[in-house]
Amino acid sequence: DAKTTQPTSMDCAEGRAANLPCNHSTISGNEYVYWYRQIHSQGPQYIIHGLKNNETNEMASLIITEDRKSSTLILPHATLRDTAVYYCIVRLSSGGSQGNLIFGKGTKLSVKP
Amino acid sequence: DAGITQSPRHKVTETGTPVTLRCHQTENHRYMYWYRQDPGHGLRLIHYSYGVKDTDKGEVSDGYSVSRSKTEDFLLTLESATSSQTSVYFCAISWDIGAYEQYFGPGTRLTVT
Repeated sequence: DAKTTQPTSMDCAEGRAANLPCNHSTISGNEYVYWYRQIHSQGPQYIIHGLKNNETNEMASLIITEDRKSSTLILPHATLRDTAVYYCIVRLSSGGSQGNLIFGKGTKLSVKP
Repeated sequence: DAGITQSPRHKVTETGTPVTLRCHQTENHRYMYWYRQDPGHGLRLIHYSYGVKDTDKGEVSDGYSVSRSKTEDFLLTLESATSSQTSVYFCAISWDIGAYEQYFGPGTRLTVT
């Protein structure tokens, strides 16, 4: 079972920031938070991941709370092409099957003109 | 995009026939994975490989076998296809286990009639 809780769906206006929340209250010290998205009929696309500190790349920012029990993915200027299902995944950093990704149901983000 | 191709992209087959799906990568990544995606279940791991001839089972491995004779190729075989194996199959690769992202292929849509 997925170790994360996300809202089923969210809307965002084009050009505005999209803030996608994720709860992972049972996260352990050696588990990372990963974000992927899946645009309709395509394979999942890696966005960003982090352990404790906030992270930023060309696609998004990841804000992790100090207690690490929740995080927020921020798309700073959402476009129509960002409409997708967004998955928040908690994953061990060690090897074996425990290190594999477990996808939950995700959040369907709809960016509207 | 990561150099991952899947073949075929679409296949319709009859119950009881063997089916082999191929994943090919040009990235020289050590780890390769097969997932299936079904409505209401998200993505689920079938099998993964951590090197040539080194494979292990995932969450939903019953009815599937895999082989990896070369770094670049990971084959998924349904020995005797059933209607419950109708799904979209995604291959993924990662450089190593641990805090490394997985990159996904475009998917294969398999229909078993």
